[in-house]
Amino acid sequence: GAGVSQSPRYKVAKRGQDVALRCDPISGHVSLFWYQQALGQGPEFLTYFQNEAQLDKSGLPSDRFFAERPEGSVSTLKIQRTQQEDSAVYLCASSLVVAGFEQYFGPGTRLTVT
Amino acid sequence: AQRVTQPEKLLSVFKGAPVELKCNYSYSGSPELFWYVQYSRQRLQLLLRHISRESIKGFTADLNKGETSFHLKKPFAQEEDSAMYYCAQLYNFNKFYFGSGTKLNVKP
Repeated sequence: GAGVSQSPRYKVAKRGQDVALRCDPISGHVSLFWYQQALGQGPEFLTYFQNEAQLDKSGLPSDRFFAERPEGSVSTLKIQRTQQEDSAVYLCASSLVVAGFEQYFGPGTRLTVT
Repeated sequence: AQRVTQPEKLLSVFKGAPVELKCNYSYSGSPELFWYVQYSRQRLQLLLRHISRESIKGFTADLNKGETSFHLKKPFAQEEDSAMYYCAQLYNFNKFYFGSGTKLNVKP
């Protein structure tokens, strides 16, 4: 079957605009993770869902960042009033089991804020 | 605070030479450690995890609690090993901390 998909693959936003990034995990995967990867850095944890419950959002950098997974499958990461420092690749990963040992990553969404 | 450290941004070796990619982690009684790899124009994918003690594509990694290290090793590098390698540590069953990555370049 298909792996994790993300859309859009590329997004250019003007500073101050709101953006919404979508993640379609592998069907049946319980765990879903969002990461932010700045240029030249490793992925940084943003938030974690177990089914529809957001169990950890400690990595979200500010209250402009919001994530949801209302039906326990597709997830959306929303960034309000984008700033230049939000420019990064946003990665989504899913895992079959709760502990999330083997994560399957999506291709990422490259966000550029101008 | 940086929890996972990969001191080398770039490592270049010749084909057939041994390779070691360094990783140091923050102390944790029973750390859960992983290596992820990203080949050119591909997604990040799991290479190996210390709990399984597997050898994947000839790579191994040994956990050294005394030195808080989890270095990735391969005795004979191949050109197809050229990629970005990320060390990662799992906290509280759901939070992964990744290092900044090492780019391995295997020259012919």
